[in-house]
Amino acid sequence: KQEVTQIPAALSVPEGENLVLNCSFTDSAIYNLQWFRQDPGKGLTSLLLIQSSQREQTSGRLNASLDKSSGRSTLYIAASQPGDSATYLCAPRSYNAGNMLTFGGGTRLMVKP
Amino acid sequence: EAQVTQNPRYLITVTGKKLTVTCSQNMNHEYMSWYRQDPGLGLRQIYYSMNVEVTDKGDVPEGYKVSRKEKRNFPLILESPSPNQTSLYFCASSLQIANSPLHFGNGTRLTVT
Repeated sequence: KQEVTQIPAALSVPEGENLVLNCSFTDSAIYNLQWFRQDPGKGLTSLLLIQSSQREQTSGRLNASLDKSSGRSTLYIAASQPGDSATYLCAPRSYNAGNMLTFGGGTRLMVKP
Repeated sequence: EAQVTQNPRYLITVTGKKLTVTCSQNMNHEYMSWYRQDPGLGLRQIYYSMNVEVTDKGDVPEGYKVSRKEKRNFPLILESPSPNQTSLYFCASSLQIANSPLHFGNGTRLTVT
């Protein structure tokens, strides 16, 4: 069964810092890995999707990397802003276990002005 | 606008009273799924559907039913709700499994008393 761990669980930083959020997973037989953002009480917004054959994906100030063999993904946020405050979730999509996405517990990020 | 629409957004009901949460997507997506989100437990998959008339259990299917009679709709049915089904529910869809991002609805907050 896929297990996903996100470190740190919470992070508070001043505006402008560059951030690294970590995601590790136990089953490397994945189609892809997706990073999401969730604002309090709201749905999930897809940020980046990395295919299993890719090493990284970029969108604006966000860059996500994937090392499938070691079961790790990293989300890098450059020049953080207060509007980046949210919970960030990673979810690998496994070949096994019925093609399910398995979510990590998330990293709760607060960026202070 | 491309979206996943869930209804209702909020629902308070009593134990044992059957209810249905609707989910509809307008993107011609093949894959649809239901998740529940609980504090400390994260997001867990209830059921998923690979296409019309094809459904399968996720991690926590007990007490739930689904149907996929049309491609766009994937209702979640609670035949006899119990208080432990109080949760935040999300519907999600994607074009395919392997290469497509998962798009989420805005959620349904269900309270069973």
